[in-house]
Amino acid sequence: DLQMTQSPSTLSASVGDRVTITCRASQSIDSLLAWYQQKPGNAPKLLITKSSSLQSGVPSRFSGSGSGTEFTLTISSLQPNDFATYYCQQYKSYSQYNFGQGTKLEIK
Amino acid sequence: EGQLVESGGGLIQPGGTLRVSCAASGFSFSSYEMNWVRQAPGKGPEWISYISGSGGAINYADSVKGRFTISRDNARNSLYLEMTGLRVEDTALYYCARQGREGYNSYWYFDLWGRGALVTVSS
Repeated sequence: DLQMTQSPSTLSASVGDRVTITCRASQSIDSLLAWYQQKPGNAPKLLITKSSSLQSGVPSRFSGSGSGTEFTLTISSLQPNDFATYYCQQYKSYSQYNFGQGTKLEIK
Repeated sequence: EGQLVESGGGLIQPGGTLRVSCAASGFSFSSYEMNWVRQAPGKGPEWISYISGSGGAINYADSVKGRFTISRDNARNSLYLEMTGLRVEDTALYYCARQGREGYNSYWYFDLWGRGALVTVSS
């Protein structure tokens, strides 16, 4: 089975910091990776598809990159509204579509 | 943009049956493939079921296959998930989620989510 592993599990940072979250797939998923942001009590919000395509309305400080098995989500300058949990999700493997375990971005 | 609103969650004993519903509005429901995604407390989301726009194609994750049934009523703009043989490990927030589309192609990411229906399986 294809597995998605995110690191770190928790990340402490300050407003204005540049942060990077990594997502690794256990086998190649080409560029078929999405990133979501989830705040407590809310559903996940789609940020990025196809590894690097920013969804409409998502601030340009968010960016994604990678292909194959290694991917990153970068926030160039953290804003107070960005503290949340982030999930990657692969959509290459039929009937799996699994998510990573999440990275909680906390205020330092 | 669209909205999805789930209903029908609750507390159910192990082995019981429950149906959750999802009411869609603000988009052409019958044109979209739909999914159910669940999230256990403190865990990441887990995709569990898919249905095509017409309802003619259906798929399930192994964890629910044979126990859960997805269906839709396009005249009512509604999606359903009937859950039988419920287990303690099925306890989760159940989200209705719209499948992403790029032009004529559909992809298994989820661009619109409801707020979820909480299902608690406990004796």
